[in-house]
Amino acid sequence: DAGITQSPRHKVTETGTPVTLRCHQTENHRYMYWYRQDPGHGLRLIHYSYGVKDTDKGEVSDGYSVSRSKTEDFLLTLESATSSQTSVYFCAITATEQNTEAFFGQGTRLTVV
Amino acid sequence: AQSVTQPDIHITVSEGASLELRCNYSYGATPYLFWYVQSPGQGLQLLLKYFSGDTLVQGIKGFEAEFKRSQSSFNLRKPSVHWSDAAEYFCAVAPSGGSYIPTFGRGTSLIVHP
Repeated sequence: DAGITQSPRHKVTETGTPVTLRCHQTENHRYMYWYRQDPGHGLRLIHYSYGVKDTDKGEVSDGYSVSRSKTEDFLLTLESATSSQTSVYFCAITATEQNTEAFFGQGTRLTVV
Repeated sequence: AQSVTQPDIHITVSEGASLELRCNYSYGATPYLFWYVQSPGQGLQLLLKYFSGDTLVQGIKGFEAEFKRSQSSFNLRKPSVHWSDAAEYFCAVAPSGGSYIPTFGRGTSLIVHP
């Protein structure tokens, strides 16, 4: 299994509070992604990174920010959590642009109350 | 931009029966195509992928998929389903040029009856 660790695995937070989710990889892969998974929507891309300090937005980026200061870590921050951000969040990595087989973490279940 | 359609939200089959999960994509050229499986509470695992060449692709766990350019389809098949195959299945497409970022379908939930 690819070395991808997401933390925390579960979190309950209150509306309006900031939340940071962490994705840590030991594969030295260049590309990292944050997806959210919701019933009926599959996986939707929030943000992605193509290198240290290089990030870009996905299709559902509003309300989220990311940072990548090291190859191995990709952080997803909800600046002010809302109930609509209750979801399961997955981190994924790919090795190169052409090798687009994605490896996934086990997910973080976030509940905003 | 590319898109993926999985028309079946749920599929129910009996153990030992054959399976076909449908996937259609929209993209201007031949994309990279993938099928992933997700067991409850787990992340996604790659079943198989198509980049080029032989349009019939073999994957893990006895699955195969066939790329049909004329139909823009990449359907997943298995000749005999096992109870352990019950899971969520996702089709994904990535551009063969440009960003290479994969886009996922909404998923098909497979239910297996004994």
